[in-house]
Amino acid sequence: SQQGEEDPQALSIQEGENATMNCSYKTSINNLQWYRQNSGRGLVHLILIRSNEREKHSGRLRVTLDTSKKSSSLLITASRAADTASYFCATANQAGTALIFGKGTTLSVSS
Amino acid sequence: GAVVSQHPSWVICKSGTSVKIECRSLDFQATTMFWYRQFPKQSLMLMATSNEGSKATYEQGVEKDKFLINHASLTLSTLTVTSAHPEDSSFYICSARDGRAHEQYFGPGTRLTVT
Repeated sequence: SQQGEEDPQALSIQEGENATMNCSYKTSINNLQWYRQNSGRGLVHLILIRSNEREKHSGRLRVTLDTSKKSSSLLITASRAADTASYFCATANQAGTALIFGKGTTLSVSS
Repeated sequence: GAVVSQHPSWVICKSGTSVKIECRSLDFQATTMFWYRQFPKQSLMLMATSNEGSKATYEQGVEKDKFLINHASLTLSTLTVTSAHPEDSSFYICSARDGRAHEQYFGPGTRLTVT
């Protein structure tokens, strides 16, 4: 089963523009994580935001969390062609053990 | 950071044969390992959770007799796809949970193609 739903499913932008991806989830969480996956490759952990945090930054990444709306957003500023990848949000399953992933947003950054 | 390896990175097999995929935690002990499957242009779907020394817990809809999981040690879990069929062709990703830090680390994935 999938916990999160990302939108948009696909996003195409030019280098230098900002990219915003949204994730909604269904159950209460302790934290929410964002991952990146280049085509056909493994996952790269980007950032974890705890349920008591509203915003977190890491380099060009900015993540927000609104637990009242059960939603999170990932903003990539000043995008680069190398940011082209699929981005997934993930939260823990009900047992609190495994990560359950959203459907993902495929980002394409053209130069 | 912690490293999880998978072997092989890709495999092609004939329909009806079995394939074993290994997942190893290289620098930490993983009390729990997870197996995911990812079809093209889709997200990761959790297949099963395995704890060292005990039987795996399978997600709904995943055939336990077809996807055999063994977690015999704190650093190794294996997934065997038995009697593979073309519809089993997928990207299989494992992850391992560090018993002490409770962090989850992902392997690089194994691309399985069944012809």
